[in-house]
Amino acid sequence: NAGVTQTPKFRVLKTGQSMTLLCAQDMNHEYMYWYRQDPGMGLRLIHYSVGEGTTAKGEVPDGYNVSRLKKQNFLLGLESAAPSQTSVYFCAALGPADQGRYEQYFGPGTRLTVT
Amino acid sequence: DAKTTQPPSMDCAEGRAANLPCNHSTISGNEYVYWYRQIHSQGPQYIIHGLKNNETNEMASLIITEDRKSSTLILPHATLRDTAVYYCIVRVAIYTGANSKLTFGKGITLSVRP
Repeated sequence: NAGVTQTPKFRVLKTGQSMTLLCAQDMNHEYMYWYRQDPGMGLRLIHYSVGEGTTAKGEVPDGYNVSRLKKQNFLLGLESAAPSQTSVYFCAALGPADQGRYEQYFGPGTRLTVT
Repeated sequence: DAKTTQPPSMDCAEGRAANLPCNHSTISGNEYVYWYRQIHSQGPQYIIHGLKNNETNEMASLIITEDRKSSTLILPHATLRDTAVYYCIVRVAIYTGANSKLTFGKGITLSVRP
């Protein structure tokens, strides 16, 4: 049980290039999230999904697109990367934990640098 | 979700208790206090949460004041591996749609010294 995995771990892009970040979970959870974290800051929500085929905008969605074609995968796309998108990107999946509570399980992060 | 205020940093000696404060003076009656931590560059990890009663688990204790306007996370015997950023988050315990998201502030950086 790997939990939440992210691909790639590191990436350097030039301004204007595009790329897709992959998040995969093997816990069969419905909800998934993409956050970004800038240096010295907390995480900010980009987009989220409440189930296969559905997505919704978070706090900072501009410049990003997402897709949830399969329940276990949540893709984050940058169509035309900008230096302001240099950040660490975290994916999370929400599912049941103990004592009836739910918990967000986070992936290890993807470090993206846009030059 | 209610806003939280945490000091930017603190330190403690290894083996001693670490008491991390959080103010949430605008907390509503149906909002819980959650604590997460983020060890250097890793994804955040859930620690504990509570509504109004004190809570304890294998990782930490959570003390919430009677008026619920502040709380303290206690790591009873801090180790070097507890060095991390700790986030205090106030949110409703409803896991539907946008209410399921977590709102992170800057957190408090705990440094455990040998």
